[in-house]
Amino acid sequence: EVQLVESGGGLVQPGGSLRLSCAASGFRVSDKYMSWVRQAPGKGLEWVSVIHIGGSTKYADSVKGRFTISRDSSKNTLDLQMNSLRVEDTAVYYCAREGYSYGLTGYFDNWGQGTLVTVSS
Amino acid sequence: DIQMTQSPSTLSASIGDRVTITCRASRSISSWLAWYQQKPGKAPKLLIYKAFTLESGVPSRFSGSGSGTDFSLTITSLQPDDFATYYCQQYDTYSPRTFGQGTKVEIK
Repeated sequence: EVQLVESGGGLVQPGGSLRLSCAASGFRVSDKYMSWVRQAPGKGLEWVSVIHIGGSTKYADSVKGRFTISRDSSKNTLDLQMNSLRVEDTAVYYCAREGYSYGLTGYFDNWGQGTLVTVSS
Repeated sequence: DIQMTQSPSTLSASIGDRVTITCRASRSISSWLAWYQQKPGKAPKLLIYKAFTLESGVPSRFSGSGSGTDFSLTITSLQPDDFATYYCQQYDTYSPRTFGQGTKVEIK
């Protein structure tokens, strides 16, 4: 059974840093595209970042240069290092596995339960 | 980036109703569209991908259609468990993944 469990959320001051982690089971993170998706309180879903099977990464413009996605194959985890945090980064952050079909990936077939990041002074 | 626009934002319906939610992309995305259901305090759940392919375990009362820029999600007979917020999401190859703003289906 596929399972994703996020950790690392909490309260941080503007300009601070936080590192989120997502522990995967039932598959290998290195075998799938893996993304982070966030949801501000009462708002919709926003894709944040993806790491490809080959290791290349992409980011939403809103976090580019501040966030870094990575994975640890030995631990089977996905991480998100968040620096220079802003009030507008406050959200529940979900780890999501991307499905692959018809020759393309990019939809999210499994999600974690989410971890709340609050950026406030 | 490709913008996704859903309508309506809120939909009031009764048990047994046929419900349709639409999603429009700012440019053609072929059939690279997914639909999700989200309940309060929970993670989204994949319902449909490739515009029309039902995810395993999803009831057959859910269906998706469309291609290019116009898509729809239909629930043929609304059940109590279906009251939730629904999101569309595009995953065109050369564009960042983007979501619609969501459609809340509430009890009439």
